[in-house]
Amino acid sequence: RKEVEQDPGPFNVPEGATVAFNCTYSNSASQSFFWYRQDCRKEPKLLMSVYSSGNEDGRFTAQLNRASQYISLLIRDSKLSDSATYLCVVIGQGGSEKLVFGKGTKLTVNP
Amino acid sequence: DAGITQSPRHKVTETGTPVTLRCHQTENHRYMYWYRQDPGHGLRLIHYSYGVKDTDKGEVSDGYSVSRSKTEDFLLTLESATSSQTSVYFCAISEANMRTEAFFGQGTRLTVV
Repeated sequence: RKEVEQDPGPFNVPEGATVAFNCTYSNSASQSFFWYRQDCRKEPKLLMSVYSSGNEDGRFTAQLNRASQYISLLIRDSKLSDSATYLCVVIGQGGSEKLVFGKGTKLTVNP
Repeated sequence: DAGITQSPRHKVTETGTPVTLRCHQTENHRYMYWYRQDPGHGLRLIHYSYGVKDTDKGEVSDGYSVSRSKTEDFLLTLESATSSQTSVYFCAISEANMRTEAFFGQGTRLTVV
């Protein structure tokens, strides 16, 4: 099993749709979780951290399920500007402090 | 934006030549990382550093070496470039605390011909 796995996508949704991405991780000892956004030919940038209690930032909601070892990202009322690749990041796999990335899920929001 | 710069931004080199990519930070962050990004593979860790002269291998370290003689600089060297090392290379930095975010450089597009 890969360390971090994401929905393969791509996701094509109309404006205003709600879309959800999932990401699973293999090591139950992992400590920190993040969602990053990467626009085409640009560097990844932090979208939001993921906390055990779940957290919300405007139209974005992130959830962590430690028992099932997955994190999720929900985007409500999708905008054209949400089109990007979304990367799941896990820190603390195998006791290491290195960041491990999922392969990313590409989202295209259509007019 | 975090103070992290990569150089060069673009490079074309010939197979068999050595290549060095530089990552420079002004944030005094402890951790520095080198990733490569290829279609279908996502971001894969090459090497990382957790302090001056302290480095460790990532999942795709073969053919690469790194050095960190100063907090602010992390160098990635391809000892003898191969076509399979054609990729986009990203440097990232983070604080020692795992709960803080990582910041990325703008990337280096390397083509080995």
